[in-house]
Formats: sequence, C-alpha cells, structure tokens
Amino acid sequence: GDSVTQMEGPVTLSEEAFLTINCTYTATGYPSLFWYVQYPGEGLQLLLKATKADDKGSNKGFEATYRKETTSFHLEKGSVQVSDSAVYFCALSEGAQKLVFGQGTRLTINP
Amino acid sequence: EPEVTQTPSHQVTQMGQEVILRCVPISNHLYFYWYRQILGQKVEFLVSFYNNEISEKSEIFDDQFSVERPDGSNFTLKIRSTKLEDSAMYFCASSDWGFEKLFFGSGTQLSVL
Repeated sequence: GDSVTQMEGPVTLSEEAFLTINCTYTATGYPSLFWYVQYPGEGLQLLLKATKADDKGSNKGFEATYRKETTSFHLEKGSVQVSDSAVYFCALSEGAQKLVFGQGTRLTINP
Repeated sequence: EPEVTQTPSHQVTQMGQEVILRCVPISNHLYFYWYRQILGQKVEFLVSFYNNEISEKSEIFDDQFSVERPDGSNFTLKIRSTKLEDSAMYFCASSDWGFEKLFFGSGTQLSVL
C-alpha cells in the first residue's frame, strides 16, 4: 500500500541555518503530495502541496519539489527562524478520501 | 481565522468504558475526518464522512468505532469499549471540498488505563 517515510528527528538547528527535511513515498499511481505543520498546542495545518511531477509547492519561505524519478518531496528553507519550531508531516493522497502521513519530524530552532 | 475545535483536550478512561470525542468542524465545511496518532507512530486515517454517511474507513475503524453528526455543528467519534491500544491522540479535521486542504483540530489525547 501507499506509504510515506520521513527523516528521523528530532532536528535542532540554529537560527538562519538551512533546513532540509527528507521525505520519500511509495504509491501505486500519481499521488498529490503535502507538507503539514503542527505548531505547539495547535492542530496540523497545510504548509504546501504539489499535485504533479516537477511541481514546486511553496509557502512562508518553505519549498518542496515533487520528484517522480526519486519518489521524493523534500522540504527546504533557506534561513530558518525560531518561529519555525514545530512538527512537520509529509503526506500523500491518491484521490481517495484520506491522507497517508509520515511519522513527523520535530524541528527545534535555537536563537 | 476559523478553526476546528476539539473537546476535551485530554480524556482518561478505564478499559472497557465507552468514550465520545467531540469536534466542531468549520461551519461551511462538508467533509469530516478522524485521524489518530499513537505515541511515536504515524498519523493514521480512521474515517471520512460526507453527506451524513461514512465515505471511507480504514481497517482500524472496526465495529467498536462509530461517528455521528448529531446536529448541524458537532461531529463525534465514539469508541464503545475502549482497549489499551486505543490510547492515542485523536485528530478531527474538516474541509470544504475533499482531501486537498484539511483543517485539523489540536487533538484529544485519549489515555486508556
């Protein structure tokens, strides 16, 4: 079945560092790909998405490119801030009424 | 910004007891979901609900689970006889159309003792 694998956390960086959180997926068809973020005490919220190969999703300085050849959707940000500290979830959907999530990666940014 | 509200934030129950987890989705949304996350594991889909009926459910969502939209605003998840392995964070979500952008509540942490 479909699955999503994220890099193990937790990840700790200094402010203004470059961020990459790896995400790879397994799917039978052509899924849509998502990054959700959960800030402390809040629900998951959609950060960005891409619906077909080579699409780039972007939001709040974060980017991820749908790479069909490597079945990946890595999350990147050029200069992280303390306010980016959160748990990040990679997810996919193949058009069914559900998302398949990775395990989440906890990111902590130190000033 | 509108948000999905879940109550309670924490629920402790004894094994075998019934629990009802409550959610108030965003008011103009049509699709409703429950997901759960056991500590240290992935967020898992449980069920989706549209037009007053279940549209999809996972293998986890067995006869011990049920969902209901008893009025125009609430969406509930009932577990009839809780087991230790039901201990998890339960997330409610809603969307205005399909799975493309879900809005999640902050979750109910269920502990079964």
